[in-house]
Amino acid sequence: DSGVTQTPKHLITATGQRVTLRCSPRSGDLSVYWYQQSLDQGLQFLIQYYNGEERAKGNILERFSAQQFPDLHSELNLSSLELGDSALYFCASSVGVGLAGGNEQFFGPGTRLTVL
Amino acid sequence: GNSVTQMEGPVTLSEEAFLTINCTYTATGYPSLFWYVQYPGEGLQLLLKATKADDKGSNKGFEATYRKETTSFHLEKGSVQVSDSAVYFCALTPSGSNYKLTFGKGTLLTVNP
Repeated sequence: DSGVTQTPKHLITATGQRVTLRCSPRSGDLSVYWYQQSLDQGLQFLIQYYNGEERAKGNILERFSAQQFPDLHSELNLSSLELGDSALYFCASSVGVGLAGGNEQFFGPGTRLTVL
Repeated sequence: GNSVTQMEGPVTLSEEAFLTINCTYTATGYPSLFWYVQYPGEGLQLLLKATKADDKGSNKGFEATYRKETTSFHLEKGSVQVSDSAVYFCALTPSGSNYKLTFGKGTLLTVNP
């Protein structure tokens, strides 16, 4: 158990809908990262927050947004869903802002999103 | 841009066999290199890492050496166990940017008793 929790575990929805994925980082971790894992694209970095502020953006679609709240949990919002958004979405957390000096990212178990 | 290429799986081995999973990368400068493991139904766990050329990362009997000249970071284990069955991901963070992990496609390893 990494200490990172994600809810829900599974989500099934229809095209055009909007969903919210939730992540609680390990106690004491200030940084949260979101990744998407799909069969065709593999594992891709989406976005990072540190202590409530956005720090880095990767291959995140405009239909997707995220935020980190004062209690440090994070939510990833996916809207106008398409079939191709079906994937496993991982959240990871770390103490600081990056990986320098061994600042490891700890991954949650993921949320499996199925868009029908 | 930055990229990681792993050998395609799946890889099926018998217990106590020798394991090699090849990984090569493309990046400018001196990236940090990682191997992550994903057991069935779980998130990713860091297996080992190397942050500069010629560094050897090791953990749980697994090893990988950062080879700048061949831009490679191959994963090896001398004697695999059934419990090593998992998906293995090679990843990098480019120099000067120490937060974003770029992953390979992953290699599924199955070890039979």
